[in-house]
Amino acid sequence: GDSVTQMEGPVTLSEEAFLTINCTYTATGYPSLFWYVQYPGEGLQLLLKATKADDKGSNKGFEATYRKETTSFHLEKGSVQVSDSAVYFCALSDTGGGADGLTFGKGTHLIIQP
Amino acid sequence: DGGITQSPKYLFRKEGQNVTLSCEQNLNHDAMYWYRQDPGQGLRLIYYSQIVNDFQKGDIAEGYSVSREKKESFPLTVTSAQKNPTAFYLCASANPASGSADTQYFGPGTRLTVL
Repeated sequence: GDSVTQMEGPVTLSEEAFLTINCTYTATGYPSLFWYVQYPGEGLQLLLKATKADDKGSNKGFEATYRKETTSFHLEKGSVQVSDSAVYFCALSDTGGGADGLTFGKGTHLIIQP
Repeated sequence: DGGITQSPKYLFRKEGQNVTLSCEQNLNHDAMYWYRQDPGQGLRLIYYSQIVNDFQKGDIAEGYSVSREKKESFPLTVTSAQKNPTAFYLCASANPASGSADTQYFGPGTRLTVL
């Protein structure tokens, strides 16, 4: 079956540091890939997505590139802020259109210290 | 404003009781989903519905039930058969007709605690 593996947390960085959160996947088809962010006590918000190989999703300074050859979708940001502290989830949809639901990784808790 | 609402935000239940969690969306989305979130386990799919009056089991449907009588509503009932119901429950919706069918939009969640 489909699965998503992302680095364990918590990840603690200082403000303005460079961020990488690794995400790899296994899928039977040709999935779309997502990063969602969850702030404390809230639901998930879509951060970015990519639907085909070599696509780069970007939003709010975050970027991730769909690498089919390495089955990866690593999240990066050049300079993090305290407000980026949250839990980040990598996810995929493998069915046609994703109507059957998403497969999530376990989440990575990011803590940014001033 | 369009969006997804879940109520209540916090819910307490005694063992042996059924409880229903509400999820409403005004995005005109056809598809709706229920996920369960536990610490360190990410989100797991409970049930989903791609159209009114139709729904399918997800990965962890045992002990749960749903209905989809209206396009905008997808309530989840946690029954007494669910052995470990304490969790954070998230509802989502998506619009397959839009061409971005796999982009799901989430509600704020309901935290259920069994006493």
